[in-house]
Amino acid sequence: AQTVTQSQPEMSVQEAETVTLSCTYDTSENNYYLFWYKQPPSRQMILVIRQEAYKQQNATENRFSVNFQKAAKSFSLKISDSQLGDTAMYFCAFGQVAGGGAQKLVFGQGTRLTINP
Amino acid sequence: DAGITQSPRHKVTETGTPVTLRCHQTENHRYMYWYRQDPGHGLRLIHYSYGVKDTDKGEVSDGYSVSRSKTEDFLLTLESATSSQTSVYFCAIRGDSFQETQYFGPGTRLLVL
Repeated sequence: AQTVTQSQPEMSVQEAETVTLSCTYDTSENNYYLFWYKQPPSRQMILVIRQEAYKQQNATENRFSVNFQKAAKSFSLKISDSQLGDTAMYFCAFGQVAGGGAQKLVFGQGTRLTINP
Repeated sequence: DAGITQSPRHKVTETGTPVTLRCHQTENHRYMYWYRQDPGHGLRLIHYSYGVKDTDKGEVSDGYSVSRSKTEDFLLTLESATSSQTSVYFCAIRGDSFQETQYFGPGTRLLVL
């Protein structure tokens, strides 16, 4: 079974700093997707960024970028110029094919990120 | 935002009573999912649907059943609620392509006393 591990339960940085959240996963599949979701205090799950495993180029979305190391099964999230609004729980997720073409997500335990003014 | 609503948003019930949570979408998406979120576990998949009347189990399906009689609604039922089912429940939807992202509803907080 696929597993996703986030080794940093909590992190805290100052506003405008850069922070990197770690994620490792275990799978024998070759075709999959990886995601980072953000969950602010409102509890809404918000997609931050995603990466297709077949793409070598790392995904970027404005201040958010990933370092995808397929051989090492590592998928870290870098937040540049961090803002107070980035304060949230961050979840790494692995997407695998399931019955009927569904996509089952396996989530890590989450990293609670606090941005301090 | 994706058109997903969940009802109720909050519910308190007693052990042994049946509970049904509803997920409603306005996107006409084929795939729908139910997850639960507990401290220290992230989100875990309960059941999912890949079409009307087509459902399958996730990793934590014991004690739960689902039904999907029309595209827009996906129901999660706890036949006899237990305290271990106290959790926050999230519904998610996804379009037809595997490349598409899952979008989540606002969640339902369920407390079983």
